[in-house]
Amino acid sequence: DVKVTQSSRYLVKRTGEKVFLECVQDMDHENMFWYRQDPGLGLRLIYFSYDVKMKEKGDIPEGYSVSREKKERFSLILESASTNQTSMYLCASSTGYEQYFGPGTRLTVT
Amino acid sequence: AQRVTQPEKLLSVFKGAPVELKCNYSYSGSPELFWYVQYSRQRLQLLLRHISRESIKGFTADLNKGETSFHLKKPFAQEEDSAMYYCALSGWSGAGSYQLTFGKGTKLSVIP
Repeated sequence: DVKVTQSSRYLVKRTGEKVFLECVQDMDHENMFWYRQDPGLGLRLIYFSYDVKMKEKGDIPEGYSVSREKKERFSLILESASTNQTSMYLCASSTGYEQYFGPGTRLTVT
Repeated sequence: AQRVTQPEKLLSVFKGAPVELKCNYSYSGSPELFWYVQYSRQRLQLLLRHISRESIKGFTADLNKGETSFHLKKPFAQEEDSAMYYCALSGWSGAGSYQLTFGKGTKLSVIP
């Protein structure tokens, strides 16, 4: 079974803090993705990576950055958290068409 | 640009009634389409994909290229089908990998 894990299930941060969300997959997948999930808006792609040290912007990259130093790990960084970044964040990995998702991190920015 | 439309935010049906969750897409190439499901407090997981043409948990979906649709159907709804359902389209990102575009989701509620 593919396993995608995320470092926290719940996170509460203050406005202006730097926030790191970590994602690890154990199936040697080349591709990794970060989404945010909001009611009524579905899943929106923030960033993705198709190889170590490679990254591409998704549909809503503003206010976020990513890091992929190792194949199994993909980090999402909020440089200065804002209240409108309160959301559920989902990580996924894939080797082709199908994506496998982590359990999600619910981030609240106060 | 690729786009996925799920016209219903919420669909309520009685147990035993037929279910149809609608999905329409826009894509210039040959589409690969999926249905993902998220049960309460569980992670998002693949339900089925059109290329496999299989039935999972009684659900089926047929790709209709003429109508650009990929509706999800089940003849008799069960209470355990209550969940959030997302239709997704896979297309080449142009930057080294395939990319999924999701619809906004339909919440299915099965009434006992």
